[in-house]
Amino acid sequence: QQQVKQSPQSLIVQKGGISIINCAYENTAFDYFPWYQQFPGKGPALLIAIRPDVSEKKEGRFTISFNKSAKQFSLHIMDSQPGDSATYFCAAIEMDCSYKLIFGSGTRLLVRP
Amino acid sequence: NAGVTQTPKFQVLKTGQSMTLQCAQDMNHEYMSWYRQDPGMGLRLIHYSVGAGITDQGEVPNGYNVSRSTTEDFPLRLLSAAPSQTSVYFCASSYLSGQRQGYGYTFGSGTRLTVV
Repeated sequence: QQQVKQSPQSLIVQKGGISIINCAYENTAFDYFPWYQQFPGKGPALLIAIRPDVSEKKEGRFTISFNKSAKQFSLHIMDSQPGDSATYFCAAIEMDCSYKLIFGSGTRLLVRP
Repeated sequence: NAGVTQTPKFQVLKTGQSMTLQCAQDMNHEYMSWYRQDPGMGLRLIHYSVGAGITDQGEVPNGYNVSRSTTEDFPLRLLSAAPSQTSVYFCASSYLSGQRQGYGYTFGSGTRLTVV
């Protein structure tokens, strides 16, 4: 049973549009929620992360929105660019209990020029 | 800065063969882990280690062994390869306090394994 559920599986957005990827979790002990970006042939790389005591975090064109009561969080990519085309993974971890990072199933984003 | 180095990059095995995937990091990270990546399933944790001499199982440990004799190295052994182990394998490392400090995991570039 997947502990972190991610949707959609794939996403096509026009250049300049907003890309939205959603994740949901069940384990209320998770206390850190990072997003990773992966380009073909490469390993994932940390993109942005949020703690559950914050409802939103923004870094440049990337924003995480967090809804603790609904146990959901999402990644918004504003002004999407062709260079953003990659696979995005949400993840969750219990920092004080376990160091295991649990990933969602991934979203393949294609930004058309 | 080497970061996390995985070898080999590609490997083809016959069913029943054994092999070791190598992972080395030069960042003095305490935590190291192995993931496998399969289409539509994301990255699933195989085994992890919080320090030399300490290992534990992740979500999908069956068919794999690990050991951690040094801080730098964390090899993954396939005892008797099966077609179901065809996948891309990633090694990742971090400081134990790294998540709290926002450093995240450092991933290697992966090993693409095909079992025929």
